[in-house]
This record gives sequence, C-alpha cells and structure tokens, in this order.
Amino acid sequence: DVKVTQSSRYLVKRTGEKVFLECVQDMDHENMFWYRQDPGLGLRLIYFSYDVKMKEKGDIPEGYSVSREKKERFSLILESASTNQTSMYLCATLTQGEETQYFGPGTRLLVL
Amino acid sequence: QKEVEQDPGPLSVPEGAIVSLNCTYSNSAFQYFMWYRQYSRKGPELLMYTYSSGNKEDGRFTAQVDKSSKYISLFIRDSQPSDSATYLCAMSQYSGGGADGLTFGKGTHLIIQP
Repeated sequence: DVKVTQSSRYLVKRTGEKVFLECVQDMDHENMFWYRQDPGLGLRLIYFSYDVKMKEKGDIPEGYSVSREKKERFSLILESASTNQTSMYLCATLTQGEETQYFGPGTRLLVL
Repeated sequence: QKEVEQDPGPLSVPEGAIVSLNCTYSNSAFQYFMWYRQYSRKGPELLMYTYSSGNKEDGRFTAQVDKSSKYISLFIRDSQPSDSATYLCAMSQYSGGGADGLTFGKGTHLIIQP
C-alpha cells in the first residue's frame, strides 16, 4: 500500500524562525513534490525533485528551499518564516509510468 | 499560462441527484486531465484520469474532456452523502505531472444532503 508521511500534522512557528517540513515515502518513487494549499487559491507547486540531490522550482518557490539527500525523503525549508507562509503544505510522490501523484496528509503551518 | 478556473462552490445537492463539476483552462499544451477528491483534513486522492479528449466512466463517475473548448467535466450519478468532499481538477502536459508538477483548479466544495 502506498504511504506518504509528513512529519507533523500541525505546526506553530514564530516569524523569522527556520522551519523544516519533512516528507517520507516508502514506495521508491523517483519524483517528489511540495505544494501549498490556500483557500481561494487551490494547490500551487513550490518545488519538485525527480532524483536524489536534484530539484526544480515550481510556480511559487520564493521564500522556500528544498533538500533531497535520500530518495525516500524530501524536505521543504522555510529559511525565515513569514506570516504569509501560513498554509497547508502537501507532499506528493510519483513514479515513472504511473498516472497519479500520491499525496501525504498535509502539514498545517501557522506562522505567528 | 497555467491558469485553471474552477467554481469553488459550495455546491449543495440532495442525495441521489446527478452532480456536474467543471473546469476550464487556457494552456493548450495540457494533455493529461485528472480529478482528485479531498476529504476534510486529508490529502487529495485520485478519482479519475483521462488522456486527451474523450470520456471515461468508472462506476458512478464519468469524466469528460473537450480539448477544443478547453473544458473538462466530472459527473457523479446517484450521489451519496459520502461523496461530500472538495473536488479538484488537475492537469498537466506530462503524464502524472512528472516533469513540471500538476496545475490544479481551486477546488469545488460539494455537499450531498441526506
């Protein structure tokens, strides 16, 4: 069974803090994605990775960075959290030849 | 351009009704079209997948794609209260969005009244 886990379901941080969001998959999928979901804006792609140590910017990469040191783990980093980064963050994975991205349960981040 | 337009609702219908959900898009390069369902406080899960224009049926669900009009639809027959969720259309130039991610609509919040 496909499993994508995210390190926290809910997170509260202060403005200016460095924040790490972790995503782990057990399916040996090559591709991993980070989206954020906001009311009225839907899901928007932040970054994605198609292999270890490879990363590509999505539609809204500003204020974020990513790390993929191992195939199963993809981290989203907020270098200096700001209130406009309060959002639901969703990780997804995809393997070649498959049609669907598999999503994790999401991390709801509140930046105060 | 990657905009996808989707009415956010909420759309409220009685149990047993036929539901029609729609999205329009502007990027003619999109070839792969998906509908995801998202329950409250959960991640999205794939419901239907269609390549290029045409229809696809799976049980009570039918997906339609009209590339000439840049318009996609999801129909739900005999709607059930368990169908209450947010429905997200998504599309990509590449299979599964592997090369550049998926472009999503804003999602339609559907409520099926018992």
